[in-house]
Amino acid sequence: GDSVTQMEGPVTLSEEAFLTINCTYTATGYPSLFWYVQYPGEGLQLLLKATKADDKGSNKGFEATYRKETTSFHLEKGSVQVSDSAVYFCARLNTGGFKTIFGAGTRLFVKA
Amino acid sequence: NAGVTQTPKFQVLKTGQSMTLQCAQDMNHNSMYWYRQDPGMGLRLIYYSASEGTTDKGEVPNGYNVSRLNKREFSLRLESAAPSQTSVYFCASSAGSDTDTQYFGPGTRLTVL
Repeated sequence: GDSVTQMEGPVTLSEEAFLTINCTYTATGYPSLFWYVQYPGEGLQLLLKATKADDKGSNKGFEATYRKETTSFHLEKGSVQVSDSAVYFCARLNTGGFKTIFGAGTRLFVKA
Repeated sequence: NAGVTQTPKFQVLKTGQSMTLQCAQDMNHNSMYWYRQDPGMGLRLIYYSASEGTTDKGEVPNGYNVSRLNKREFSLRLESAAPSQTSVYFCASSAGSDTDTQYFGPGTRLTVL
């Protein structure tokens, strides 16, 4: 069935380091792809999204590019801050569907 | 603008007790969802309501029932709670198209003893 796989955490980085969190999805149809972020004690909120191949989503210095050929949607940020410490979820939403499939989440810790 | 609200924030139940989790959204969204979040398993869809008047099972519906009371409100009921239902429950809503962002409530942390 449809699935999303993302790298296991936790990921621990120093402030200003480069961040990559890998995400791959099963290639059923042409889903929309999302990154959501969850700060401690809160619900998920959208970080960025891309709705078709080669689209790049970006927000708050984070970027991810929809790569159909490698079925990937890796999250990157050039210089992380302590305030970026959170859990990041990759997700897909199928065309014509209502069910969003989430990855297991990757916890990021950023040290000052 | 409150977005998606959930009550209660925390709840402790004994095995066999029942309870209803309440969810409301003020964004005039068509679709609403209930998820549970367990460590290492991401979010799993329990039930969803694509539009007012409809509900459908998600990935893990056993032990739960839902009611789409009106366009704003979508409740989740545990008829006979079990320790396996200890989890954090999130309600979400979306406009309903297939490119749509979901908007999440703050969650309910439920412990079943």
